[in-house]
Order: sequence, then C-alpha cells, then structure tokens
Amino acid sequence: QVQLQESGPRLVKPSETLSLTCSVFGASISSETYYWTWVRQPAGKGLEWIGRLYTTGVTHYNPSLKNRATISADTSRDQVSLRLQSVTAADTALYYCARVEEESTSWRSWLDSWGQGILVTVSS
Amino acid sequence: DIHLTQSPSSLSASVGDRVTITCRASDPINSYLNWYQHKPGKAPNLLIYAATRLQSGVPSRFSGSEFGTDFTLTISSLQPEDFATYYCQQSYMTPWTFGQGTKVDI
Repeated sequence: QVQLQESGPRLVKPSETLSLTCSVFGASISSETYYWTWVRQPAGKGLEWIGRLYTTGVTHYNPSLKNRATISADTSRDQVSLRLQSVTAADTALYYCARVEEESTSWRSWLDSWGQGILVTVSS
Repeated sequence: DIHLTQSPSSLSASVGDRVTITCRASDPINSYLNWYQHKPGKAPNLLIYAATRLQSGVPSRFSGSEFGTDFTLTISSLQPEDFATYYCQQSYMTPWTFGQGTKVDI
C-alpha cells in the first residue's frame, strides 16, 4: 500500500520560498499509471489545488498562484517536491501531496492516496 | 474555473441516519467528479470516483449519483466513524476545484 509523507520547514518568512518534499513509500513515482499533485488548505477554508506533475515531466498549475509554484520529481528517491516563491501570509496552509490515478480510456482522474499534510506558516 | 457548490455546509445526524450531500457544478463535467472524506489530522480518503464508482475498501453504505450537473453522495446508514467533513472535487478541467465541504457531526 502506497504511503505519502510531506516534509519541510514549517515556518517561512514573507517573500521567501516555501520548499516541501513528498516522500513516496510502497510505489515508484515513475509508474506510468499514476501522476502526482499538491493541494493546500488554509486554516478554516476549503481545499485548493496547486498543481500536478506527470511522469513525462509535464506540469500544470493553478493560475491563482500567479506562476509562483514549481513541482518537480526526484525519481531516484521517489520524491515529489513543491516550491512556492515569494510567499505571503496568504500562503499559510496545510499542504498535502497526493497520488493521482487516471483512467486511460476516459482520462477521468482522482486522488487515490494522500499524505497527512504539513502545516506551513508564513510569518516574520 | 468550474465552481462546485456543496450543500448543506454542515449537518447534524445520528448513527443509523441516511445522509445525502449535494454538489452542483457550474458547468457540465461529464462524471469527472470525486468525493473525499476528511477527518482532522488525517489524510483525506477517496470514497467515490467518476461520480458513481466506489473506491476499493470503502464500505458499501457510501454511494454516488449523478443528475446532469448535480451530484450526490449518500451514506445509507451513518456509522460513528463517518463523522467527518466531505468534499467533492472535479477533474474535468484545470484548475481542479473542490466544493467548500460538508461537515457531518452529531
């Protein structure tokens, strides 16, 4: 059974870069059946999709982040990373990584495994 | 962006109750709709994918249905472990979006 675990600094200063790592256990991130995504949840608010990374290296991001996000992978370590530049207090949130399964016949997709999340606070 | 409106935002129920949560999409999304259960401090858990398909390992008391742009999650007989927040999510087009959540409590 796949397990995902987020890690990284829990406190980031305004204007700096948030960097998180998602370690994947029990599966290879190179599998063509799945791809990877990040989602966040500000305190007291709903879930916001950040972006996704295909095994081909193709990425898509939420335009609301104004080109500040970068998702990448280290296949040798089975890790997926998120970088978010120029953070503000509005980026304070619980950050989740998740695995995405996609149905090859319909292209429908769903987040079938999630990490427990990591709370990142942006504050000086 | 496709907007998902969940209703109600919260509900109180008892063990054994039948619970229905609705998610309305602002545009047609052709069954690209998933449901998740989320408990505080835990990883969200996929319940239903592609609008009506039960994820492996999820109890059969959970079911999903679709009527055009309206989707429902039904719990046929609420169990103590089902008290949680439930979210719908569309994967029809990016940016993927979530409903605002429905908190089910006692």
